[in-house]
Amino acid sequence: EVQLLESGGGLVQPGGSLRLSCAASGFTFSTYVMTWVRQAPGTGLEWVSAADSGGYGTYYADSVKGRFSISRDNSRSTLYLQMNSLRAEDTAIYYCTKGVDGSNWFAEFWGQGVLVTVSS
Amino acid sequence: EIVLTQSPATLSLSPGERVTLSCRASQSVTRSLAWYQQRPGQAPRLLIYDASIRATGIPARFSGSGSGTDFTLTISSLEPEDFAVYYCQHRKNWPLTFGGGTKVEIK
Repeated sequence: EVQLLESGGGLVQPGGSLRLSCAASGFTFSTYVMTWVRQAPGTGLEWVSAADSGGYGTYYADSVKGRFSISRDNSRSTLYLQMNSLRAEDTAIYYCTKGVDGSNWFAEFWGQGVLVTVSS
Repeated sequence: EIVLTQSPATLSLSPGERVTLSCRASQSVTRSLAWYQQRPGQAPRLLIYDASIRATGIPARFSGSGSGTDFTLTISSLEPEDFAVYYCQHRKNWPLTFGGGTKVEIK
């Protein structure tokens, strides 16, 4: 059974940093692309970042480029999102997602999400 | 950036009805489009990818069609659990983007 378990969320002041983790199990993590998607309260979905199966190709939404960094440790089956210079508008539930396969970025499976609140 | 426009924003329907949701892209995404369902309080779920391929475990009442800039998600007969918000997403290029969503509510 595929499982994605996000952690690392919480309350942080504007300008602060957080590191989200996503522990994956139930599939061969190193052969799938992975993404982060967020959802601000009461709004729609926003794609945030993506990493290819090896972690060498990484991609970002313009809204987070230069502030967020995606990485993965295939030996630990874990995806990360380092979030720096956080702003109030980064407040959202952050979902870790597994791609359909090693090249298809659509989110076949989603974690339950972790809440990040940026507020003073 | 490719903008995806979903219409209508809200649909009020009854169980058993047929529903058609629309997603229009600002430029061609060929067939690189997916549909997701999100029920209240839950994470989204992939329904259809690459325009018309049903994801694993998705009932046959869900179908997708289209190519280029115009896409459709059809639910042949609404079940009570289908009342939810539906999003489209493309993977044609970076950044990947989502549409604003269509809420299907009970009439």
